Amino acid sequence: QSVLTQPPSASGTPGQRVTISCSGGSSNIGRKAVSWYQQLPGTAPKLLIYNNNQRPSGVPDRFSGSKSGTSASLAISGLQSEDEADYYCATWDRSLDGWVFGGGTKLTVL
Amino acid sequence: EVQLVESGGGLVQPGGSLRLSCEASGLIFSNYWMTWVRQAPGKGLEWVANIKQDGSEKYYVDSVKGRFTISRDNAQNSLYLQMNSLRAEDTAVYYCSSGDAMDIWGRGTTVTVSS
Repeated sequence: QSVLTQPPSASGTPGQRVTISCSGGSSNIGRKAVSWYQQLPGTAPKLLIYNNNQRPSGVPDRFSGSKSGTSASLAISGLQSEDEADYYCATWDRSLDGWVFGGGTKLTVL
Repeated sequence: EVQLVESGGGLVQPGGSLRLSCEASGLIFSNYWMTWVRQAPGKGLEWVANIKQDGSEKYYVDSVKGRFTISRDNAQNSLYLQMNSLRAEDTAVYYCSSGDAMDIWGRGTTVTVSS
């Protein structure tokens, strides 16, 4: 059981916009910045979004993040087949004194 | 190019020990928090431990406290994870990562705990 709650799956067709939610609490998302990671099949995770809504250099602007209260979300617009991957949210938890991850969302491009 | 390369994984019996290493290049290693994250087969990501730039602060997930020790050698641009009293549930790919937001990740090293 993960501290952060994500839907296990999401799907969309090419060109569509999809969102993935991440729900937490006052000791984690409510107080700390959220990061998002993309893990393509068989590869290491890659930072997609940091500080709630910032994109590292090289990440397309089709990817965007937002946070409100104790929840965060990742939006992917103009969905492409290469976006098919697992997506994880994460943040620091002040009660646990450690990073916590969501359980991951498997995105399927139909 | 920033690169993190993990090593030291392998097959070990329950109760045994392993020492993982992560060698960094292309970055000023001493400027960054470093983190170990693991992923059990078919499962999600789990944070294991992290260490401050100068090694003065270390944090661990509850399930490894007292068994695992994170350390670093800034002169060698290297991060370590000493794993003792290994259990079957420690079987996973172990990734090292650099940065406040786990910006850069290595490719991982596989640890299998089995008799």
